[in-house]
Amino acid sequence: EAGVTQFPSHSVIEKGQTVTLRCDPISGHDNLYWYRRVMGKEIKFLLHFVKESKQDESGMPNNRFLAERTGGTYSTLKVQPAELEDSGVYFCASSRILAGGQETQYFGPGTRLLVL
Amino acid sequence: GQQLNQSPQSMFIQEGEDVSMNCTSSSIFNTWLWYKQDPGEGPVLLIALYKAGELTSNGRLTAQFGITRKDSFLNISASIPSDVGIYFCAGQTQGGSEKLVFGKGTKLTVNP
Repeated sequence: EAGVTQFPSHSVIEKGQTVTLRCDPISGHDNLYWYRRVMGKEIKFLLHFVKESKQDESGMPNNRFLAERTGGTYSTLKVQPAELEDSGVYFCASSRILAGGQETQYFGPGTRLLVL
Repeated sequence: GQQLNQSPQSMFIQEGEDVSMNCTSSSIFNTWLWYKQDPGEGPVLLIALYKAGELTSNGRLTAQFGITRKDSFLNISASIPSDVGIYFCAGQTQGGSEKLVFGKGTKLTVNP
């Protein structure tokens, strides 16, 4: 079974440009999460999809960030326009919804974004 | 917002030594998790704890869910070079299909 994949692995852009990150979850996983780690700080939650619906987007920093999951499969996270403080590692994670409530979130390798 | 205070921030040890790290919070968590991140990779789950007081082992790793639900520790016994990486604690307040709240991580260096 393939793991969570993310594309691109690295992205270097200039302030004001647009970048789109993609996440392909593990097949059959209805939960999809986006997290971000800014250097030296903790990994922080951005948002949570259940299938194609946004379950929790309380961690989205501002309206320059737009996440979509059309069809409930892969997800994209677009940053437009990018600012310097958006630099960091963006992780995607996916999991199955289990009746017992226990959940294992499987993480992708991350996209390292640098805004110059 | 919810915070997990993880310590120590970094550790430098000799191969064969035991390691201990912990996380505390002012809030109650119903699930505690420990992840490890290798360079260039995403976090990988090591141990999950679902009940207060639970003590769980995974090979040389042992973790405990504090009775108060506000803390957890991770022990690594007889460290080896491949234990190098960043260890993160994480918690869920409800448990299941919910965001993870992470600590800042403990960077472990093991000298052969």
